[in-house]
Amino acid sequence: AQSVTQPDIHITVSEGASLELRCNYSYGATPYLFWYVQSPGQGLQLLLKYFSGDTLVQGIKGFEAEFKRSQSSFNLRKPSVHWSDAAEYFCAVGAVQAGTALIFGKGTTLSVSS
Amino acid sequence: KAGVTQTPRYLIKTRGQQVTLSCSPISGHRSVSWYQQTPGQGLQFLFEYFSETQRNKGNFPGRFSGRQFSNSRSEMNVSTLELGDSALYLCASSLAWTSTDEQYFGPGTRLTVT
Repeated sequence: AQSVTQPDIHITVSEGASLELRCNYSYGATPYLFWYVQSPGQGLQLLLKYFSGDTLVQGIKGFEAEFKRSQSSFNLRKPSVHWSDAAEYFCAVGAVQAGTALIFGKGTTLSVSS
Repeated sequence: KAGVTQTPRYLIKTRGQQVTLSCSPISGHRSVSWYQQTPGQGLQFLFEYFSETQRNKGNFPGRFSGRQFSNSRSEMNVSTLELGDSALYLCASSLAWTSTDEQYFGPGTRLTVT
């Protein structure tokens, strides 16, 4: 079955520390992979996406993610977290056969401590 | 340009009633997707419309329906509301019917069923 797993429900990171959010997927077709961020009361904003090619992708707000096919993972990283990064982060997978339909993970809530 | 707008932003309905939610995509976008977001199930794909045609449908009962108009605006309808339909309903628009096109999400409609 197609699924996306985000093992960490909630993570707290100190401001200025590095961040890694984990994402594992199970998908029969060649996947397209996405990370979205959702701030309270707002919709989702795309941080970055991976379709093919270079397995390390850069996104907005200083985020990057690495696609590892052998581990079925697409972890999100940021070298130095800012207080404004506190939000909920969603990993999602899609495929050319699925149109715009995305399968989302349950999300990881990031808290940033000062 | 203006983003995706959803109306109303908040809605309270009683069990058994029906509800219609509206989504206006970004100008020029022809694809609109709908998602249901709940704390328990997370984000789940409802359906997607492109050029007034439903292209894809998620695993939801027939009480959930939608349509798209010639100006790409979309509505979704839920009939015979149940308590479990309480959720944030998000719509997303994109240029075309493919997940390689970035989807832009609206702020959502918060539906509460009492």
